[in-house]
Amino acid sequence: EAGVTQFPSHSVIEKGQTVTLRCDPISGHDNLYWYRRVMGKEIKFLLHFVKESKQDESGMPNNRFLAERTGGTYSTLKVQPAELEDSGVYFCASSQVGSLNSPLHFGNGTRLTVT
Amino acid sequence: AQKVTQAQTEISVVEKEDVTLDCVYETRDTTYYLFWYKQPPSGELVFLIRRNSFDEQNEISGRYSWNFQKSTSSFNFTITASQVVDSAVYFCALRPGYSSASKIIFGSGTRLSIRP
Repeated sequence: EAGVTQFPSHSVIEKGQTVTLRCDPISGHDNLYWYRRVMGKEIKFLLHFVKESKQDESGMPNNRFLAERTGGTYSTLKVQPAELEDSGVYFCASSQVGSLNSPLHFGNGTRLTVT
Repeated sequence: AQKVTQAQTEISVVEKEDVTLDCVYETRDTTYYLFWYKQPPSGELVFLIRRNSFDEQNEISGRYSWNFQKSTSSFNFTITASQVVDSAVYFCALRPGYSSASKIIFGSGTRLSIRP
């Protein structure tokens, strides 16, 4: 079984540019989450999809961040325009719906550096 | 409040020493799950263990053991006879509520360095 896959693994962009991160969850996992870890801090929740619907987007920092999950399969997270404080590692995770103790399966993360 | 606190930012020990990583959590829910994840230098987050709030039995898996104490809201992780390969950042996490859709709340992580 393939794990959660994230692209790209690294991205270096200048302030003001746009970046799109992609996440392919484990096949059959309807729950998809985005998290972010800024250097040395906790891994913070950004948002949660169930299939193509946003279940909880309370962690999205501002309207420069847009997440989509068309068709309920892969998801994208776009940052436009990027700011310096957006630098960090963005993790995607997936899990099965309906399994009470299902752990999150994480991807390797995308390290975003905004200069 | 729903919160996970890992007070130890960094720990460094010599190989073969035992080491305990502390985790304290806060939640209003009576049903919840606790997790530990490992982030090795390669960057991925690796699931280690899950424990639900109704199961206070301690668990041992090889050199790893977990001590869940509801009375002190703690879920500590001990590595016995540490090895260099154990060097990583370790995250404790809480999923409040009983829905699989509940978001997981992470602590800030403890960076563990094992010196040869």
